[in-house]
Amino acid sequence: AQKITQTQPGMFVQEKEAVTLDCTYDTSDQSYGLFWYKQPSSGEMIFLIYQGSYDEQNATEGRYSLNFQKARKSANLVISASQLGDSAMYFCAMSRIQAAGNKLTFGGGTRVLVKP
Amino acid sequence: GAGVSQSPSNKVTEKGKDVELRCDPISGHTALYWYRQSLGQGLEFLIYFQGNSAPDKSGLPSDRFSAERTGGSVSTLTIQRTQQEDSAVYLCASSWQGGNTEAFFGQGTRLTVV
Repeated sequence: AQKITQTQPGMFVQEKEAVTLDCTYDTSDQSYGLFWYKQPSSGEMIFLIYQGSYDEQNATEGRYSLNFQKARKSANLVISASQLGDSAMYFCAMSRIQAAGNKLTFGGGTRVLVKP
Repeated sequence: GAGVSQSPSNKVTEKGKDVELRCDPISGHTALYWYRQSLGQGLEFLIYFQGNSAPDKSGLPSDRFSAERTGGSVSTLTIQRTQQEDSAVYLCASSWQGGNTEAFFGQGTRLTVV
């Protein structure tokens, strides 16, 4: 079974500063994917970034980067230069790389509030 | 539309009634997923469709829950004899077939059972 742990239920960050959201995972699979999603108050889950277990380089997407430490089973999200629009819930998730689907196991989420 | 569309956006129903939730995925996406988001349980996987078949129904919480997908497109999640613990946001997502590609989510249906 897969398990995702996000230990920070909520955090404040000053506008224009960087913030790191923690995510640790547990799995016995050799091949897996790690995702981060953002959920603003509107409720929609917005894909941010993806890291495959065999990817040697950390993924980056604009202001988002994923600090992947496979030996420690961590996949922290770094948001640089925070903006007010970054205020939202952030979910770390993982999937098994298999032919029959790509269902996600989610962590409990971290609520981020960006202060002006 | 360009994104995943779910309807209704909100549904209030009386305990014991049946409800149907609809999901219209992104055109061309063969994989479709239903998730449930509740305060107590977080985000939980319910069911996965590949085309019209559901190879993974492992997340359906009871036999009161069922889902179907027709024409490889629209999916309906049905909850029979609703209970208060069914109150949650039901999220639908779609993606390209298999692989490890990102899933695109709809805005969800907020179900309240009174």
